[in-house]
Amino acid sequence: AQSVTQLGSHVSVSEGALVLLRCNYSSSVPPYLFWYVQYPNQGLQLLLKYTSAATLVKGINGFEAEFKKSETSFHLTKPSAHMSDAAEYFCAVSELRSGNTPLVFGKGTRLSVIA
Amino acid sequence: DTAVSQTPKYLVTQMGNDKSIKCEQNLGHDTMYWYKQDSKKFLKIMFSYNNKELIINETVPNRFSPKSPDKAHLNLHINSLELGDSAVYFCASRPNDRGSTEAFFGQGTRLTVV
Repeated sequence: AQSVTQLGSHVSVSEGALVLLRCNYSSSVPPYLFWYVQYPNQGLQLLLKYTSAATLVKGINGFEAEFKKSETSFHLTKPSAHMSDAAEYFCAVSELRSGNTPLVFGKGTRLSVIA
Repeated sequence: DTAVSQTPKYLVTQMGNDKSIKCEQNLGHDTMYWYKQDSKKFLKIMFSYNNKELIINETVPNRFSPKSPDKAHLNLHINSLELGDSAVYFCASRPNDRGSTEAFFGQGTRLTVV
C-alpha cells in the first residue's frame, strides 16, 4: 500500500532563509507525487507534481521538488522564504495504475516564517 | 466561478442530528472524493466516486452516506451526528481515477458537533 511520511510536523525559518520540507514515500509501483499548500481556513492548492517526466519539478511561488527514486524522497525547497509562505504543506502520493488511485496524504508540515 | 464548491462553509449542530454537505464541480471531471481533515490536520480519504459509481468506501461508519445524483455533484449525508464527527470535510474532483492527475479541492466545510 502507498504511504507518505513527512518528517517534522513544524518547521520554522527566518525570512529569506532556505525552506526545506521533507517527504518520503512508499509505493509498490512507480508513484506520482504531489505537494499541496493549505492556508488557514482554506482548501488545498496544488504547488507542483511529479508524473515521471523530469525529476526536478518547478511549481508555483518559487517552490521546487526533486524526485529521488534511490532515496524514495520528494523534498520541497524554496531558496528564500517569504512571510506569505507560512502555511500547512502536504505531500501526497498516487500510484501509476488505472483505477482506484486516490491521493494519499502525509500528516502535513506547518511552516512558520519569522521576520 | 469556483471550480469545486461546497456548502455550507460552516455547520454547527447538536449531537444526534442529521445533516448534509453539498459539493459541486464545474470542471467536467469524472472522479470525486470526500476527505476528512481532523484537528491535527490529517487528511483521510472517505469515499471515491467515478462517473457516479462508488469506487472506494474506506472504513467509515454507516452513518455517513454519499450520494452522487450526477457526475458534477457529490453530497455527503451524516445521520445521528456524534462529537467525534467534528472535523473539516473536503470535497475534491479529478479528471479521472488514474494516478497521474491532481485533485482539485473545495474550500472545506467545518462541522462542529456540540
